[in-house]
Amino acid sequence: AQRVTQPEKLLSVFKGAPVELKCNYSYSGSPELFWYVQYSRQRLQLLLRHISRESIKGFTADLNKGETSFHLKKPFAQEEDSAMYYCALSSGSARQLTFGSGTQLTVLP
Amino acid sequence: KAGVTQTPRYLIKTRGQQVTLSCSPISGHRSVSWYQQTPGQGLQFLFEYFSETQRNKGNFPGRFSGRQFSNSRSEMNVSTLELGDSALYLCASSLGQDTQYFGPGTRLTVL
Repeated sequence: AQRVTQPEKLLSVFKGAPVELKCNYSYSGSPELFWYVQYSRQRLQLLLRHISRESIKGFTADLNKGETSFHLKKPFAQEEDSAMYYCALSSGSARQLTFGSGTQLTVLP
Repeated sequence: KAGVTQTPRYLIKTRGQQVTLSCSPISGHRSVSWYQQTPGQGLQFLFEYFSETQRNKGNFPGRFSGRQFSNSRSEMNVSTLELGDSALYLCASSLGQDTQYFGPGTRLTVL
């Protein structure tokens, strides 16, 4: 069975500090990993996916198959980054996402 | 391009009733997936439809069902509502194997 673990429910950092949101997964095949973000009163939206290997809003995430991790990083956090972040895994041909429990990030001024 | 829309946005029902939620995907998207979001269980996959066929189903009882129409619009139905069915129900659409785009959700409260 596939599983996504986000060990931190809450994470607070100061503006300008680096931030890392942890995500570990368990899946026997080749997963596709995503980070979704939900800003206050907005819908869930894709932040980035590992196959794109892009940086969105300064965030990056590298898939580490050895450690089965897909941590989200940003070198300098901004107050507008405060949101709920979900790591998700997709497998197979169907569009079924398995979500982690989410991390509420608060960037303090 | 208009985003995914869900109706109604809020719904209050009593135990034992049934409910139907609707989702209109982004134009051109043929895949629609449904998720249940609760504080205790988080986001859980319900089912996915592609070209009017259910392609995958999550671990939910048979009281939860869905369908997709030829225009890709989808409905999900919950029969014999229980208190534990209170949740935010999210719909997501995609072209097929591409990124899923989420709707705003329908907040269901069961009294």
